[in-house]
Formats: sequence, structure tokens, C-alpha cells
Amino acid sequence: AQSVSQHNHHVILSEAASLELGCNYSYGGTVNLFWYVQYPGQHLQLLLKYFSGDPLVKGIKGFEAEFIKSKFSFNLRKPSVQWSDTAEYFCAVHSGGYQKVTFGTGTKLQVIP
Amino acid sequence: EAGVVQSPRYKIIEKKQPVAFWCNPISGHNTLYWYLQNLGQGPELLIRYENEEAVDDSQLPKDRFSAERLKGVDSTLKIQPAELGDSAVYLCASSSRAPPDTQYFGPGTRLTVL
Repeated sequence: AQSVSQHNHHVILSEAASLELGCNYSYGGTVNLFWYVQYPGQHLQLLLKYFSGDPLVKGIKGFEAEFIKSKFSFNLRKPSVQWSDTAEYFCAVHSGGYQKVTFGTGTKLQVIP
Repeated sequence: EAGVVQSPRYKIIEKKQPVAFWCNPISGHNTLYWYLQNLGQGPELLIRYENEEAVDDSQLPKDRFSAERLKGVDSTLKIQPAELGDSAVYLCASSSRAPPDTQYFGPGTRLTVL
């Protein structure tokens, strides 16, 4: 069965620090990859997605993610975080003929002013 | 444009009682998802609808859970009878097309089973 791993459960950074959140998946076939974010008190919403083409994708608020097929990874990055980036971040993978979706366990990011 | 609407937002029940959750997706969205989210975990898919057809219900515990999406719009998820372990947040999401496509999530229903 498909699995998605987010090894960083809780990350604390100071403002202006660089961010990288890991996401690894287990499916060996074609995948479609998403990062969703949940700000405090808000709904889950899309941050960015990758279907095909350039493996480096850019999303909202300066976030980007790189798909590395050989490493089964889709890590999220931001060069300089802001206090407003405090949120929980979820990686999601669609795979297989039915495009079954699997979410990671999430990473809580706390940015300290 | 209105987002995904879910009700109730909170529900507290005694174990063995039935409970139902309602979801109204974004207008025109044909795909509807129900998820269960336990504390500290990511959403886990329970069922996915394409219009009124349940195309993936492999993760739905069918002995106590049921769902329907009449007329391919609103959907209801029911648990009967509820167990202590069902305490979680139940999320509904919709997308305009079949996956993979961006999902738009509702606020969720937080269920507490006592």
C-alpha cells in the first residue's frame, strides 16, 4: 500500500531562517504530488502541486518544492520564513490507476518572531 | 464563491449512539471526499464520490459507517453505532474534476464519543 512519510513532526524556526520539510512516498509508479497547509483556525488549502514537467514547482507565499523521482521525495522549501508561515503542512500523493490519495502525518511549523 | 460547508461543526455523543455528518461541496464540483483525521495525523480517506457513484470506499468500515451522495451534490456520512475510537475530525473535500485535482476542504466536524 502507498505510504507517505513526513519525518519532521514539529519544527521551530526563527523568522528569516530557511525551511525545508521532507516528504517521501513509497509508490514506484507515476505519482501526482501536493502540499497542503492549514493555518491556525483555517481550512486545509493548497500550497502547491506537481503533475509533470519541471520538477521544481513554485506555490503561494514564496514556497517551492522539488520532485526527485530517484529519491521518491517531494520536499518543501522556503528561503526565508515569516511568522505568518506558522501552520501545519501536509504532503499528499495521488497514485495508481484510481489516483488514490494518501496524506502524510503533517509537520507543525512554528516561526518565532 | 462559497466554500465547502459542513455541519455540525462539533458533536458530542455517547457510545453506541448514531451520528450523521453533512457536507455541501462547492457548486459544480463533481468529486467529493470524506476523510477522517485523528489528532496528530494526516487525513485518511474514507470514501470518494464521482457524482453520485462511490468510486473508492475501500477504507470505509462498512460494518458501522455508511455514506450517500444523492443527486451528486450533498453528501451524508453516518456512523451507527459510534465507538470511543471514532472520536476524530471528519473532513469533507471537493474538487471540480476527478483526481488528481486540487481539493477544497471544509472546516470539518469534530466528533467526541463518550
